[in-house]
Amino acid sequence: GDSVTQMEGPVTLSEEAFLTINCTYTATGYPSLFWYVQYPGEGLQLLLKATKADDKGSNKGFEATYRKETTSFHLEKGSVQVSDSAVYFCALSRGGATNKLIFGTGTLLAVQP
Amino acid sequence: DADVTQTPRNRITKTGKRIMLECSQTKGHDRMYWYRQDPGLGLRLIYYSFDVKDINKGEISDGYSVSRQAQAKFSLSLESAIPNQTALYFCATSDLHFSGYNEQFFGPGTRLTVL
Repeated sequence: GDSVTQMEGPVTLSEEAFLTINCTYTATGYPSLFWYVQYPGEGLQLLLKATKADDKGSNKGFEATYRKETTSFHLEKGSVQVSDSAVYFCALSRGGATNKLIFGTGTLLAVQP
Repeated sequence: DADVTQTPRNRITKTGKRIMLECSQTKGHDRMYWYRQDPGLGLRLIYYSFDVKDINKGEISDGYSVSRQAQAKFSLSLESAIPNQTALYFCATSDLHFSGYNEQFFGPGTRLTVL
């Protein structure tokens, strides 16, 4: 079945460092791919998405490109801030009637001043 | 006001007790979902509902039941709580369009501890 694998954390960076969080998926066809973010004490929020191969999702300085050839959707940001400290989840969905999300295990990012 | 609310936000209970977690939404969405989050396991789907007459099991429904009292309300029950049900529980909602993906909107979560 479909699955998502993302790098284990925690990832600890200094402010203004470059961020990469790796995500790969296993699925047939062309699922939609997502990054969700969970700030401390809050629910998940959609950060960005891509619905077809080579699409680039972007939001708040974060980017991820849907790579069908490597089945990857890595999250990047050029210069992280303390306020980016959160848990980041990669996920996929086939949409349709059930609209179910399949999540990776989450990666904790801690940004130090 | 938050679009998706969950009550209680925190709950400590004892093994064998019945407990209900409630979710309400003001987004007017038809679909509602219950997930549990465990460290190192991400979020896993417990139950989901398309409308008040439609309830579906997710990947980990054993030990749980749900009730969709109205379009806006979706409750999760643990009939006899056990310690391995200690987790963070999230409710989510989404619109109902059969083509493509519809964004899910999450509540703030309920932290449940079963002693």
